[in-house]
Amino acid sequence: AQRVTQPEKLLSVFKGAPVELKCNYSYSGSPELFWYVQYSRQRLQLLLRHISRESIKGFTADLNKGETSFHLKKPFAQEEDSAMYYCALPNTGNQFYFGTGTSLTVIP
Amino acid sequence: DGGITQSPKYLFRKEGQNVTLSCEQNLNHDAMYWYRQDPGQGLRLIYYSQIVNDFQKGDIAEGYSVSREKKESFPLTVTSAQKNPTAFYLCASTRGESGYTFGSGTRLTVV
Repeated sequence: AQRVTQPEKLLSVFKGAPVELKCNYSYSGSPELFWYVQYSRQRLQLLLRHISRESIKGFTADLNKGETSFHLKKPFAQEEDSAMYYCALPNTGNQFYFGTGTSLTVIP
Repeated sequence: DGGITQSPKYLFRKEGQNVTLSCEQNLNHDAMYWYRQDPGQGLRLIYYSQIVNDFQKGDIAEGYSVSREKKESFPLTVTSAQKNPTAFYLCASTRGESGYTFGSGTRLTVV
């Protein structure tokens, strides 16, 4: 079954420290994965998608098919990065399976 | 200014009552979705519609109903059959594989 797992519900890092939010997937085929972010009092929005290979707000994510992972990384965390992050895997009909989310807190 | 509008922002429901959550988009997106967001459970798909006058059940459709009479609108009704309706409800739309655009959500509370 297709599935997305985010093992960490909560993650705290100090400002300026590297951050990695983990995402593992289960998918038969070549997946295209997404990261969505929800800042406090804002709507959920797309952060980045695997296929675009962009760096958004300093975040990158590399698809590792061997480890079935799509971890989100940033070398130097900023306070404004504090938010809820969801990894998502598209299904037929453009549905998305979402992970349970990781709440990131960047400590000043 | 294109986007998705959900209303109301907060909604209170009495036991045994049906309530309808509104979702309107002016993005000309074909596909629309309803998700339920609960703490620690992520987003779970309730219903989705890929085209006008057609919709499909998601993973947790029991106790909910939808309609898609217009491309712009995808209202969700939470019926009295939904045993645990208190949650945050998110509507989304997409044109294709570029990802979702989300509404700002409706928080439903049973009183």
